[in-house]
Parts: sequence; C-alpha cells; structure tokens
Amino acid sequence: SSELTQDPAVSVALGQTVRITCQGDSLRRYYASWYQQKPGQAPVVVIYGKNNRPSGIPDRFSGSSSGNTASLTITGAQAEDEADYYCNSRDSSGNHWVFGGGTKLTVL
Amino acid sequence: QVQLVESGGGVVQPGRSLRLSCAASGFTFSTYNMHWVRQAPGKGLEWVAVIWYDGSNKYYADSVKGRFTISRDNSRNTLYLQMNSLRPEDTAVYYCARERGSMTTGIGWFDIWGQGTLVTVSS
Repeated sequence: SSELTQDPAVSVALGQTVRITCQGDSLRRYYASWYQQKPGQAPVVVIYGKNNRPSGIPDRFSGSSSGNTASLTITGAQAEDEADYYCNSRDSSGNHWVFGGGTKLTVL
Repeated sequence: QVQLVESGGGVVQPGRSLRLSCAASGFTFSTYNMHWVRQAPGKGLEWVAVIWYDGSNKYYADSVKGRFTISRDNSRNTLYLQMNSLRPEDTAVYYCARERGSMTTGIGWFDIWGQGTLVTVSS
C-alpha cells in the first residue's frame, strides 16, 4: 500500500497533550517524518526517524512508532502549535514517497 | 545560508507546458537527492518526483508520470521540473525539497524546503 492515513482534525486545550497519528503499511519498514505547516508558509520538519527533533524545534514535540502506526505527540500544546501536520515516508517500494492527508490541529 | 528558491510558476492553459526551476545555495547540491512536492489550493501535500544526487535515478508519482520530467544541473546547482500536457488538477504551489537520510536505515526526511511557486492551469 502507498497510503498514509491521518485524522483530518484534532483539537487540544492550551497546555494539554495531544497525539496525532499516521497509519500505513510502509511504516512497518520506514520511519515517518512529521511536518508542521502554517498558512502561507512552507512545511517545516518537526520530527524524523525514531524520535529526532531538528535544531530549533521545541522538546514538547516527540515521535513514536508501533507496527503500522506513527505518532506525533505535543506535550503542553501552545497557541503557536496550531497548524496543519503531515506525516511522510517512503512507500513500500522504497523509491516513491507519500504524505498523509494532514491533520488540522486547533489549540483551544 | 542553506536555501532553495523556486521560480517559473505562472498561469498556463490546459495542454501547455511549463518549466520550474529550483536554485540551491549554501550546501553541496550535487550530494543530495532532491524532490518536488506540490500542494493544491486548500489541499494537502502531494509528493511529485525525486531525482538522485547524480541524476542516475528518477521516480514519479502516478499522477504525473509520463507528463512531468525531473532533472538537475549540478554545475548550476539547479533542480528542474518540466511539466507537459498540463491539466487543471495540476494547479498547485510547487515546492522543491532536499532529502536527508537513507533507504538502508529506513530514515528519510525533507530538511530544507523552498518557498514554493504557484502554477495555475486555466483557460
């Protein structure tokens, strides 16, 4: 399968913890990466590999994986975390790549 | 600084062609696989194509295979996307992105993105 499935929308109260999930067969073989995109801006990677954060990404962002599901967790969500989040990985062939449909995160 | 800058977008009629460019700076372009990713208005990200660091391999999404061609000129630090037989559904912001990681480790991600260039296919 070359699809990654995400919930379209998730909400979280300010300061609380939220988990965004991504499901797909390719995730049994390849790690997901996670991207944050705010309106009018290019995506920015927030998590890659097992649980790696690029420089400048707050440590409230973390990643995990089990079976065919990858998760992005934001512990203590802030107002500035309100954005669209996309997962991404290689597909099962390894030569193509695929994005999840995206999850719109609302911070209440 | 490390940077990718796309250009070449615009309004084009269905069935016509357009070539996008992505100028890289601040890193050794010739050592990275490079991708095109697009985003239709109000929609999610869609992977379009990848070209290996030396141009030896190219792979395309089914939605563009046979119509789009990815290429690169490592002497000019530039990535290209030749888009032929354009359709209204190709209307999108097109981003170029740098790949990191490797297939053997199972880890891969896009660490640098351009600002995007808008392609509108309309009569």
